[in-house]
Amino acid sequence: DAKTTQPPSMDCAEGRAANLPCNHSTISGNEYVYWYRQIHSQGPQYIIHGLKNNETNEMASLIITEDRKSSTLILPHATLRDTAVYYCIVREGKARGGSNYKLTFGKGTLLTVNP
Amino acid sequence: GAGVSQSPSNKVTEKGKDVELRCDPISGHTALYWYRQSLGQGLEFLIYFQGNSAPDKSGLPSDRFSAERTGGSVSTLTIQRTQQEDSAVYLCASSSGSGTSYEQYFGPGTRLTVT
Repeated sequence: DAKTTQPPSMDCAEGRAANLPCNHSTISGNEYVYWYRQIHSQGPQYIIHGLKNNETNEMASLIITEDRKSSTLILPHATLRDTAVYYCIVREGKARGGSNYKLTFGKGTLLTVNP
Repeated sequence: GAGVSQSPSNKVTEKGKDVELRCDPISGHTALYWYRQSLGQGLEFLIYFQGNSAPDKSGLPSDRFSAERTGGSVSTLTIQRTQQEDSAVYLCASSSGSGTSYEQYFGPGTRLTVT
């Protein structure tokens, strides 16, 4: 998997948008950007993924730069329950008999949503 | 719909005893993964099942660890002669294994404590 760089921590006020950046300057053409999060004492939770177009679902929006070297996860209206470690990873989308299905998380960004 | 479920949620066992951890994946998901996460650490891949293919056991740390998946659905991870270093949260995930991306959906985990 290509290396990603995220800030170790961020704070956000409840009700405001949380914008979490991720750098992935060595991403290759067939690698997707995935975001997961892990709330304390829970299993990781898939949030969203994208290849090159911006994506939106019920949880978040993903903005990928045109050169694909960085992306931003946006939680439009952060709540206290969004406090978690957020992981940005890049990987091939489809298993091709190799081991690319194995998820590995880096340090991630600890997002703290404050009341 | 129902997510991935795991049981028990917590297990305390004495060193040297055997334990079995159970995972019920999302119905219809053909891929199933076991990971473990030690306190403050990232995910450690253990084993991967995909349909009727031979499982990828490359992440199992020793021959005390084994896993099976019966009928392509429920999976059991067995740890024999447990050691204190086996203490961790054991996470199960499943994915549909179709389409262009393989997002994984995690269960809540089983917290194993070996005393």
